[in-house]
Amino acid sequence: NAGVTQTPKFQVLKTGQSMTLQCAQDMNHEYMSWYRQDPGMGLRLIHYSVGAGITDQGEVPNGYNVSRSTTEDFPLRLLSAAPSQTSVYFCASRFRRQDHEQYFGPGTRLTVT
Amino acid sequence: EDQVTQSPEALRLQEGESSSLNCSYTVSGLRGLFWYRQDPGKGPEFLFTLYSAGEEKEKERLKATLTKKESFLHITAPKPEDSATYLCAVQAGAGGSEKLVFGKGTKLTVNP
Repeated sequence: NAGVTQTPKFQVLKTGQSMTLQCAQDMNHEYMSWYRQDPGMGLRLIHYSVGAGITDQGEVPNGYNVSRSTTEDFPLRLLSAAPSQTSVYFCASRFRRQDHEQYFGPGTRLTVT
Repeated sequence: EDQVTQSPEALRLQEGESSSLNCSYTVSGLRGLFWYRQDPGKGPEFLFTLYSAGEEKEKERLKATLTKKESFLHITAPKPEDSATYLCAVQAGAGGSEKLVFGKGTKLTVNP
């Protein structure tokens, strides 16, 4: 098993550009989520999905869109990048919503200039 | 407002010098408390889940305990490979709440 994979590992965007951060898992997990990690702050939940076709907002959803067309993939879209979105983004998955053992991907470091 | 505070922010130990990390929380209706380990440039790695006061979990040199207001991560005879940032998180609120509140972490350095 590859676990949770994320691409790209690093990305630099200009303000106003759009892009998609990719996330995939091969563990047949129902629940997937996106977090951002900023210096001096704890991880914060952006969006999550409890299964294919079902998504919902987390703590800091503004400026981000998600979709879940398959069990394996959960891409995060930045519609119009802003410097405030400079952060490290982590995708995570777990088998079911009620489970607590969560697996994180290696992260994508995004810089918006 | 649900809050998680970890202390100290950073801790330096000599190899073999045991110590504890603290995670204090103020939440309404604790559903679970989680410990993760994060190495530089990597995603967090799940360590433990604790559900109720008095519960303890162990894994190699690590032991996590939980009271009604805080959790401790005890590290016994640490080795340099235990160096990492340790994150605490709590899940609280009514059933179905997805909010996981993370602390800022404790950066542990173990010198040989």
